[in-house]
Amino acid sequence: IVLTQSPGTLSLSPGERATLSCRASQSISYSYLAWYQQKPGQAPRLLIYRASSRATGIPDRFSGSGSGTDFTLTISRLEPEDFAVYYCQQYGSLPRTFGQGTKVEIK
Amino acid sequence: EVQLLESGGGLVQPGGSLRLSCTASGFTFSSCGLSWVRQAPGKGLEWVSGVSGGGTTYYADSLKGRFTVSRDNSKNTLYLQMNSLRAEDTAVYYCAKDPGVLPVAHFDYWGQGTLVTVSS
Repeated sequence: IVLTQSPGTLSLSPGERATLSCRASQSISYSYLAWYQQKPGQAPRLLIYRASSRATGIPDRFSGSGSGTDFTLTISRLEPEDFAVYYCQQYGSLPRTFGQGTKVEIK
Repeated sequence: EVQLLESGGGLVQPGGSLRLSCTASGFTFSSCGLSWVRQAPGKGLEWVSGVSGGGTTYYADSLKGRFTVSRDNSKNTLYLQMNSLRAEDTAVYYCAKDPGVLPVAHFDYWGQGTLVTVSS
């Protein structure tokens, strides 16, 4: 399954709302889609799994939604530490695949 | 606390071999699947290989038999044997953990990665 993320780069200011999209080439079983955050020089960190479940310790400003082929990660109010690259990943079928990433940068 | 510590990366010539290790702690190792995910410089994430909690192995089609994944539950360690290395294998290799035994899962924890550079 090929995942296409959009936009490639999102330029926003702290306090603004970020909406990231992930579209799959075919329907993802059971909404088995995850979102990860990666900062420079760091490993990815799990944010959301099964499309909308927040991982342990993830602030509630992060939310996920969607089903089938269209999924969205929303950051309600951007904090300075949220500027990073975000990846979606499907695990409904093997091989598990990632999107190409969306960079959220400070405007 | 879950910890995944990769080792074994370094500089290797094209055509050479390297074995990566991932030593785990803080969870029941034998009950969880594990994967290797790589990231080429400035690029995105690519799943490479994995092994389920039951020992079944999985590979990305692009590897064409050059890599072998294995686990030693007695040592809480995951391995990746990489042969016939090419320049395009240059990447940071991450060890990533599944929350359970099945490979149909997200990755709930990641190691910090080990850099593999393939160059003459």
